[in-house]
Amino acid sequence: QKEVEQNSGPLSVPEGAIASLNCTYSDRGSQSFFWYRQYSGKSPELIMFIYSNGDKEDGRFTAQLNKASQYVSLLIRDSQPSDSATYLCAVNDDYKLSFGAGTTVTVRA
Amino acid sequence: DTGVSQDPRHKITKRGQNVTFRCDPISEHNRLYWYRQTLGQGPEFLTYFQNEAQLEKSRLLSDRFSAERPKGSFSTLEIQRTEQGDSAMYLCASSLQGDYEQYFGPGTRLTVT
Repeated sequence: QKEVEQNSGPLSVPEGAIASLNCTYSDRGSQSFFWYRQYSGKSPELIMFIYSNGDKEDGRFTAQLNKASQYVSLLIRDSQPSDSATYLCAVNDDYKLSFGAGTTVTVRA
Repeated sequence: DTGVSQDPRHKITKRGQNVTFRCDPISEHNRLYWYRQTLGQGPEFLTYFQNEAQLEKSRLLSDRFSAERPKGSFSTLEIQRTEQGDSAMYLCASSLQGDYEQYFGPGTRLTVT
């Protein structure tokens, strides 16, 4: 499986701040990149996907992709306590996904 | 669209017993995936189907594991002679052919005592 590395957590941010999550991947040929949110004891939920270099925004979430640097990030603006979860970065390996270990985010009120 | 469903949600079994899990994908999705997740790790790929054909199986999957998708709809994952190391969350996901986005079910948490 392809290697996917995420910045070690946990990440603690105050309510209303920006949470920044980073992910690097090993295979330069990777084409599709995903961010999943996973609440404790629950299954992963797809929140963002990005295929092209640059930024993609969806509400308070922005995914950024830089294929030359093999780097993908997720920004969460105006962080809310409900954003407290583990965020998993995933990269396609043919049609299956390779996941990082996740970064746990805690938004403190 | 009712989402991916899995059954059972929890399973406790004794070492050496066989267990079987079921996954029902999103109705129009013809690709179905099985992953396993242990505490503190991301999901790890096990196997996937396109319609009824099993197209790839992880080298990590021992001979005690078998999966089927007989009619291209629901799938089953069987673990024979369970070991304590099999304790994990077993996740099923589905996608449309040609799409990379995968949607996960709620998972089956297996505890082997």
